[in-house]
Amino acid sequence: AQSVTQLGSHVSVSEGALVLLRCNYSSSVPPYLFWYVQYPNQGLQLLLKYTSAATLVKGINGFEAEFKKSETSFHLTKPSAHMSDAAEYFCAVSPAYGNNRLAFGKGNQVVVIP
Amino acid sequence: KAGVTQTPRYLIKTRGQQVTLSCSPISGHRSVSWYQQTPGQGLQFLFEYFSETQRNKGNFPGRFSGRQFSNSRSEMNVSTLELGDSALYLCASSSTGQGTYGEAFFGQGTRLTVV
Repeated sequence: AQSVTQLGSHVSVSEGALVLLRCNYSSSVPPYLFWYVQYPNQGLQLLLKYTSAATLVKGINGFEAEFKKSETSFHLTKPSAHMSDAAEYFCAVSPAYGNNRLAFGKGNQVVVIP
Repeated sequence: KAGVTQTPRYLIKTRGQQVTLSCSPISGHRSVSWYQQTPGQGLQFLFEYFSETQRNKGNFPGRFSGRQFSNSRSEMNVSTLELGDSALYLCASSSTGQGTYGEAFFGQGTRLTVV
């Protein structure tokens, strides 16, 4: 079964510093990978997705992620953290085309320090 | 384009009762999935409905059930509520046509508290 692993439940970053959230996937077939963000008392919002078209994927709010097959990774980055980036971030994998059953990682709670 | 709408937003129920949650997907989306989110277990897939049929099912007991109507709206039911059912229940709708890759659009969720 497909799965994703996110390490480090809480991530603290200074305002203006690099945001790096790690995601490793396990999949026997080429996966479709996603990053979602969740603000308090809200649902999940799609940040970006990898669908094999390009390995470097740009998303909303200045985030991007790079798919590395050799490392089975899909890490999320943002060059300069903003206070509004404080939220919880989830990596997710969809096992196959047309399959809407997402498997989520445990999430990273990002705290931005002024 | 309206997003995914879940009702109610908050719910308090007593152990042993049953509850029904509602989800209206994005117009044109025929797939509706349900997820349970708790601090301990994270986000867990409950089930997916497509064209009024359950297409995928997660590892939850039979107390959790759902259905989908011809207009793609979906309901989720939990019977004989337990304290451990307290969670945020999220509904997600997906398009299933060409060029879609399983990306889901989520509602704001229903916060269920069982006392």
